[in-house]
Amino acid sequence: EIVLTQSPGTLSLSPGERATLSCRASQSVSSSYLAWYQQKPGQAPRLLIYGASSRATGIPDRFSGSGSGTDFTLTISRLEPEDFAVYYCQQYGSSTRYTFGQGTKLEIK
Amino acid sequence: EVQLVESGGGLVQPGGSLRLSCAASGFTFSTYSMNWVRQAPGKGLEWVSYISSGSSTIYYADSVKGRFTISRDNAKNSLYLQMKSLRAEDTAVYYCARDTKEWLVYYMDVWGKGTTVTVSS
Repeated sequence: EIVLTQSPGTLSLSPGERATLSCRASQSVSSSYLAWYQQKPGQAPRLLIYGASSRATGIPDRFSGSGSGTDFTLTISRLEPEDFAVYYCQQYGSSTRYTFGQGTKLEIK
Repeated sequence: EVQLVESGGGLVQPGGSLRLSCAASGFTFSTYSMNWVRQAPGKGLEWVSYISSGSSTIYYADSVKGRFTISRDNAKNSLYLQMKSLRAEDTAVYYCARDTKEWLVYYMDVWGKGTTVTVSS
């Protein structure tokens, strides 16, 4: 079973700054199988990125995804106040279907 | 509007049972696979179960295998999760989520708001 490890656990930044969130897999993952979600308190997760780098419908272009193999990155180019939330990476894995990372909390500094 | 609405959560004693429902609208439910995902209080997301569009393929997380049963009724645009032998560690918000596959790309693009299950005596 593939394990996803996200870092850092908490990231403290100010609006306007650039955020870089990491997701590392315990073994190689197809880029097609890697997605990112945003979750705000009391809300359901929201799909941001699929296929490692494709933005979901309605997602602003300040969000971008990259990476391959075991290392994937979610970048928010210029933080807006509404971007402070928890972010999860996720990979698809046949019979296990989906595995999530433990999440990175992006908080206002 | 594409929408998923969960219901059926509540307080149940350890060892008890509960049936969750998810009502879909705004899309052709019968053509999509579906998932249940849960989130324990203050914890991360955990995938629970998957069912294909025609119910021919079903998967479970090891943590619920043998205790939970996923099903669907395409005529009623509804997804279900029958939960038995509930444990304290099953306490969570349960989300239903639409499964989308584009070529070889897999993700969950529509989520309900969730229903809360609390297992406690």
